[in-house]
Amino acid sequence: DSGVTQTPKHLITATGQRVTLRCSPRSGDLSVYWYQQSLDQGLQFLIHYYNGEERAKGNILERFSAQQFPDLHSELNLSSLELGDSALYFCASGGDQTYNEQFFGPGTRLTVL
Amino acid sequence: AQSVAQPEDQVNVAEGNPLTVKCTYSVSGNPYLFWYVQYPNRGLQFLLKYITGDNLVKGSYGFEAEFNKSQTSFHLKKPSALVSDSALYFCAVRDDAGANNLFFGTGTRLTVIP
Repeated sequence: DSGVTQTPKHLITATGQRVTLRCSPRSGDLSVYWYQQSLDQGLQFLIHYYNGEERAKGNILERFSAQQFPDLHSELNLSSLELGDSALYFCASGGDQTYNEQFFGPGTRLTVL
Repeated sequence: AQSVAQPEDQVNVAEGNPLTVKCTYSVSGNPYLFWYVQYPNRGLQFLLKYITGDNLVKGSYGFEAEFNKSQTSFHLKKPSALVSDSALYFCAVRDDAGANNLFFGTGTRLTVIP
């Protein structure tokens, strides 16, 4: 158990809908990273928050947004969903320093029908 | 810009034999390299990392990795494979533009045959 929690575990929704994925980092970690894992794109970095502030963006679509709250949990919002958004979404915490490893949550599997 | 390559999609090895999962990287500065393992329906688990120092890095579950700067490689190794080692393995490199996110290779599926 990495100490990173993600809810829900599974999410099934329809095209055009909006969903929210939630992540709670390990106790003491200030960073939250979001990654998407899909069959065609592999594991891709989406966005990084550190202590409530956005630090870096990767291949995140404009339809996607995230935020980190004062209690350090983070939410990833996905809107106007398309079939191609079906994927595993991971969050990770730790890695505040360049040499620190990140610890991954169990992921949320999103299926868009 | 950084990149990671895992040239083998699939590696099969007999139980008890040594295993190697290959990884090569490209970064503009100092390489910070990581190996993660993913079991079915699970998140990624950290195995080991190279930051600096000894070229042979030891990690969890008996795994080790050899950093080779001249060949820009960071191959994952284990002297004696177990059936339970069967999983998907990812090599990753830290962003070299100042952010701390990871760039992952495409993954290598390791199957250990009893």
